[in-house]
Amino acid sequence: DIQMTQSPSSLSASVGDRVTITCRASPGISSYLNWYQQKPGKAPKVLIYGSSSLQSGVPSRFSGSGSGTDFTLTISSLQPEDFATYYCQQSYITPWTFGQGTKVELK
Amino acid sequence: QVQLQESGPGLVKPSQTLSLTCSVSGDSISSSGFYWNWIRQRPGNALEWLGYISYSGSTDYNPSLKSRVTISADTSENQFSLKLSSVTAADTAVFYCARVSYYEIYSIYYYAVDVWGQGTTVTVS
Repeated sequence: DIQMTQSPSSLSASVGDRVTITCRASPGISSYLNWYQQKPGKAPKVLIYGSSSLQSGVPSRFSGSGSGTDFTLTISSLQPEDFATYYCQQSYITPWTFGQGTKVELK
Repeated sequence: QVQLQESGPGLVKPSQTLSLTCSVSGDSISSSGFYWNWIRQRPGNALEWLGYISYSGSTDYNPSLKSRVTISADTSENQFSLKLSSVTAADTAVFYCARVSYYEIYSIYYYAVDVWGQGTTVTVS
């Protein structure tokens, strides 16, 4: 299986901060990387697919980059509604696998 | 607007078979290009893909579950189902049904979960 490793596992930030979450795939997955946001008690929601393409309706403060083994999700200016857990997921090959999650908390 | 809704028992005894159904509205499960999935989230843990049934009826499962998982579809009811056999307490989780769609970027197809059910909690005890 492809192993997905996210860092950090949690972070504290303030509204307006720039936040970066990283995801590493082993082995490499080209650009077959998705990012999801999950709020407590809710299903995840896709933010980014294909490493850098923004899902329709997702605010432009979210962006993704990377290829191969190293990927990043960036929130350019953190908003109150962005406090949540973020997961990366590879769709390169089944079994599709997810990272362990990064919880973004209010500082 | 596509909506998915899980249903099934919230409590299953150890060694029995967990059975869940996902009812789909707003789209046909036979629509070309879509994959209908089950994903679970164990307490405090990350998301785990269990498997899918495609629009054409083909299936793919997570090998970590070995031969315990079966996904089937009822196109007349526009539903698909999950069966997980020989359950233990370690199978306690929130189970989501979900649709995987494809996105074409420069003639390359990328897949992502674009629609999720609300999730249903299943406890094995």
